[in-house]
Amino acid sequence: SQKIEQNSEALNIQEGKTATLTCNYTNYSPAYLQWYRQDPGRGPVFLLLIRENEKEKRKERLKVTFDTTLKQSLFHITASQPADSATYLCALASGSSNTGKLIFGQGTTLQVKP
Amino acid sequence: NAGVMQNPRHLVRRRGQEARLRCSPMKGHSHVYWYRQLPEEGLKFMVYLQKENIIDESGMPKERFSAEFPKEGPSILRIQQVVRGDSAAYFCASSLSGFGFGNTIYFGEGSWLTVV
Repeated sequence: SQKIEQNSEALNIQEGKTATLTCNYTNYSPAYLQWYRQDPGRGPVFLLLIRENEKEKRKERLKVTFDTTLKQSLFHITASQPADSATYLCALASGSSNTGKLIFGQGTTLQVKP
Repeated sequence: NAGVMQNPRHLVRRRGQEARLRCSPMKGHSHVYWYRQLPEEGLKFMVYLQKENIIDESGMPKERFSAEFPKEGPSILRIQQVVRGDSAAYFCASSLSGFGFGNTIYFGEGSWLTVV
């Protein structure tokens, strides 16, 4: 069955360092991969989308890579700040136009210490 | 520019009662999605609707759950005869056009259902 794995252990890093979060998937060939941020008691907020034919995407301090051979995406936050502390979710989608189905990982909680 | 609006934010129901969750999509969006987040689990897709049509309901439980998105008014997720296992956060999302084209979907803040 389709499976997405994110590191369930919280990631604790020092302010200013680069945070790297991992998303691995099996039994799936996604057309798109997305990363979301979720704060406690809030809805997910879209951050970045990367397509299967793209290797890397950047947005300000965020960088996402997508390796369809390894079936893995890495999400980097450079120069991390305490305000970056949140749970980060990766989500996969097929390219089908008649579905709204995103398959989410369980998320990795990031804690940035000042 | 208002985002996706969900209400109620918190709802408590006794076992056997009905729960109705409402979602107003972002202005101009005609595609609505419902997801459920159970405690300690990831978000799970439930249903995808366009105005007056259910496009994909592959994630909906076969019984007690229904969803609609009428021509006028918000989308409604209805849970009949709730059980404790229905306690979860229910998120609505919307998009301008079909998600399959890689469009961004925007989530609401969720409705937290507690069944006692």
